[in-house]
Amino acid sequence: KQEVTQIPAALSVPEGENLVLNCSFTDSAIYNLQWFRQDPGKGLTSLLLIQSSQREQTSGRLNASLDKSSGRSTLYIAASQPGDSATYLCAVTGFAGGTSYGKLTFGQGTILTVHP
Amino acid sequence: EAQVTQNPRYLITVTGKKLTVTCSQNMNHEYMSWYRQDPGLGLRQIYYSMNVEVTDKGDVPEGYKVSRKEKRNFPLILESPSPNQTSLYFCASSPGLGSYNEQFFGPGTRLTVL
Repeated sequence: KQEVTQIPAALSVPEGENLVLNCSFTDSAIYNLQWFRQDPGKGLTSLLLIQSSQREQTSGRLNASLDKSSGRSTLYIAASQPGDSATYLCAVTGFAGGTSYGKLTFGQGTILTVHP
Repeated sequence: EAQVTQNPRYLITVTGKKLTVTCSQNMNHEYMSWYRQDPGLGLRQIYYSMNVEVTDKGDVPEGYKVSRKEKRNFPLILESPSPNQTSLYFCASSPGLGSYNEQFFGPGTRLTVL
């Protein structure tokens, strides 16, 4: 069964800092990895999707990398702002032949606080 | 506007009273799924469907039913709700299963079972 872990569970940084969020998964048989943002009591907003054959994706101040063989992904946020404060979630979609084909498995999330 | 809609958004009910949470998408997506989100447990998949009339269990299917009679709709049915099903529920859809297929989420349904 796929397991996804996110470290750290919480992070508090001053505005302007660059930061890295980590995501690891146990089964490398995945279609893709997706990073989401969730504001308190709200739904999920997709940030970046990395296909299994890709190494990284970029969108504005966000850069996500994927090392499928080692089961790791990182989300890099440059020049953080108070508006970036939210919970960040990673999720993998299981590939055929893996332990979780067709399933989407989430990590527990990292709660990010950026203070002015 | 491309979207996933859920109804109701908030629901308070009592133990044992059957209920249905609807989910609909207007993007002609083949893959749809349901999740529950609980403090300390994160988001867990309940059921998923790869196409019409094709459904599979996720990680926490006990106490839930689903059906996929039409491509756009994927209702979640609680035949006899219990307090441990109090949770925040999300529906999601994607074009299909594949490396490039991004998941789109609905706004969530907050369910309280008394």
